[in-house]
Amino acid sequence: DQQVKQNSPSLSVQEGRISILNCDYTNSMFDYFLWYKKYPAEGPTFLISISSIKDKNEDGRFTVFLNKSAKHLSLHIVPSQPGDSAVYFCAASLYSGAGSYQLTFGKGTKLSVIP
Amino acid sequence: DGGITQSPKYLFRKEGQNVTLSCEQNLNHDAMYWYRQDPGQGLRLIYYSQIVNDFQKGDIAEGYSVSREKKESFPLTVTSAQKNPTAFYLCASSPRPGPTGELFFGEGSRLTVL
Repeated sequence: DQQVKQNSPSLSVQEGRISILNCDYTNSMFDYFLWYKKYPAEGPTFLISISSIKDKNEDGRFTVFLNKSAKHLSLHIVPSQPGDSAVYFCAASLYSGAGSYQLTFGKGTKLSVIP
Repeated sequence: DGGITQSPKYLFRKEGQNVTLSCEQNLNHDAMYWYRQDPGQGLRLIYYSQIVNDFQKGDIAEGYSVSREKKESFPLTVTSAQKNPTAFYLCASSPRPGPTGELFFGEGSRLTVL
C-alpha cells in the first residue's frame, strides 16, 4: 500500500518554462512534506519542505504548495534550468513513536529540462 | 569536509554470502538511516537508529542487520537470508529526530549479487 504517490514517472519541460511535479498522499497524519532531488549515482539532497499547517512555502525558484483537503502537494520550479534535470522524490514525515519520525518516499519523477 | 561516507561504492557478491556496507558520518548527527532503492521505486527504509546502541526496524528489515556502537558509524549487513539483495543502498543521517525529517545522504553503495 503506497502512502505517497508520484504518478508521473517522467516530465519534460522547455528551459525557462515552469515545471510542476505532483505528489499525492493517503495518510492524513503526515506532519511534514519534503522534496528531494537526486542525480544519477548520487544520494538525494534536500530541496524544500512544508509543514502540514501551511499551504505554501517558497525558496527562490522553488515553491511547494499543499492542499490538505485533496491530500495533494506540488513542487513548482520557475524558471526551469537544464541543471534542474534530475529525479525528484516527494517524502512525507510521520511520528512513529518514542520521539522518532519516519520518512515515506514516493517513487520519484524524472525531470528533463530541454535547452 | 563534513559529510557521510559510504563504502564500497560498488560491490559484487556471490549468492549465499553475507556482505557489510559501511556508513560513516562526521556531522555529529544523532540519527542514522539505511534505505534501499530499486529501479522505478522510491526509497524504502531498512533500519534506523536515533541514538548509539539503539536501532529499530524499518519497512523492509528482513534479511538485514545493523549495529550502532559509535555515533559516527552505522554499518549494514546484507545477509544470505535477503532474497533479492541486488539494489542501490543509501545511508543517511539527521541532526535531530524531529518532524522536519531533513536527511543528509551519502553517495550510495550499489550491491550486485552474481
